[in-house]
Amino acid sequence: DSGVTQTPKHLITATGQRVTLRCSPRSGDLSVYWYQQSLDQGLQFLIQYYNGEERAKGNILERFSAQQFPDLHSELNLSSLELGDSALYFCASSLGRPSNYGYTFGSGTRLTVV
Amino acid sequence: GENVGLHLPTLSVQEGDNSIINCAYSNSASDYFIWYKQESGKGPQFIIDIRSNMDKRQGQRVTVLLNKTVKHLSLQIAATQPGDSAVYFCAEIKPAWGSQGNLIFGKGTKLSVKP
Repeated sequence: DSGVTQTPKHLITATGQRVTLRCSPRSGDLSVYWYQQSLDQGLQFLIQYYNGEERAKGNILERFSAQQFPDLHSELNLSSLELGDSALYFCASSLGRPSNYGYTFGSGTRLTVV
Repeated sequence: GENVGLHLPTLSVQEGDNSIINCAYSNSASDYFIWYKQESGKGPQFIIDIRSNMDKRQGQRVTVLLNKTVKHLSLQIAATQPGDSAVYFCAEIKPAWGSQGNLIFGKGTKLSVKP
């Protein structure tokens, strides 16, 4: 157990729908990062939050959004889902800058859009 | 632009042999590199890291080499075991003002260990 909790583990939904993925960071970690991993693809950085504030954005679609709550858990919202959104979505957390404090991944949420 | 890529998509080795997984990066400003192992159905697991002011770092059965001249990173696994079978990713962090530093990943190398 890495200490980073992601729910649900699996999600199957239809095109056009909206889903919310949840991440609880490791105790004490302030930063949360979201990544998307599609078949045959590496991990694509989506977005980062630090202590409730957005810090960095990667290749995140406008249909996707995220937030980090006061208790530091984070949610990734995916709307108007398309077949191509089917992927593994990982959350990672760190206390601060990963080079100083490390970077821990959760087990991911597997999203299947049908 | 940034590019962290892996030279080989798959690598097959015999149990007990040493494995070498390579990675090329293009951002000379990156100051921190990590190797991750990802087993099927699991999240990436930290293996070893190295800062740009170092050229070698050793862990338990693993060694990471950094060659900044040619922007090359490698992971060496000694006495490879069946449990080492997984996809291995290298990742870099480039320093950015005001950012905590997000990792940029390569596509991964699948290591298969034959018993």
